[in-house]
Amino acid sequence: DTAVSQTPKYLVTQMGNDKSIKCEQNLGHDTMYWYKQDSKKFLKIMFSYNNKELIINETVPNRFSPKSPDKAHLNLHINSLELGDSAVYFCASSQGGVHGYTFGSGTRLTVV
Amino acid sequence: QQQVKQSPQSLIVQKGGISIINCAYENTAFDYFPWYQQFPGKGPALLIAIRPDVSEKKEGRFTISFNKSAKQFSLHIMDSQPGDSATYFCAASTVDSSYKLIFGSGTRLLVRP
Repeated sequence: DTAVSQTPKYLVTQMGNDKSIKCEQNLGHDTMYWYKQDSKKFLKIMFSYNNKELIINETVPNRFSPKSPDKAHLNLHINSLELGDSAVYFCASSQGGVHGYTFGSGTRLTVV
Repeated sequence: QQQVKQSPQSLIVQKGGISIINCAYENTAFDYFPWYQQFPGKGPALLIAIRPDVSEKKEGRFTISFNKSAKQFSLHIMDSQPGDSATYFCAASTVDSSYKLIFGSGTRLLVRP
């Protein structure tokens, strides 16, 4: 039983397209996150939702829009994809803060 | 602005040796310092964490050493095994931003048989 699952695992798309990545957690955690890992493996937070409320919104282009329909799901929609958006996107969840983040296996996005 | 600086970028250790990865920070408000382990194709997984009120924490072969005055902390892997080969990330968070982890740049560890 996967604790934090992301779909799809791989996503190859053309510049200018719109795509979504889905994330679901079955841990009962109250907070979910999106992190971006670039080609140099650097991990940076993008967004965080606590009980469906946006609590962290780093300086991310407006083309990225997270949506949390309930506290078990956090989706990421990206409009007008650019080459620089190519990265691995990780969803994570935690209960009550940073302690014990659980990450998903990642979605490798390649924009061509 | 990189708030947590990690070194080395890569590390090769013989089986049975000690692997040491170092991190330094500037923000004295940081109060939680975890280490994450990431295998290829997987997400990072929490390995061990420490708070600044203790100088050392040990879990099995993994030890965090923390030097509050120097604003440095390190991960020691004793008796390193080929199965420890992975990328290791240090991280930190602050009291007033308790939901956000700031990661170091990662260290790719290779343990040779």
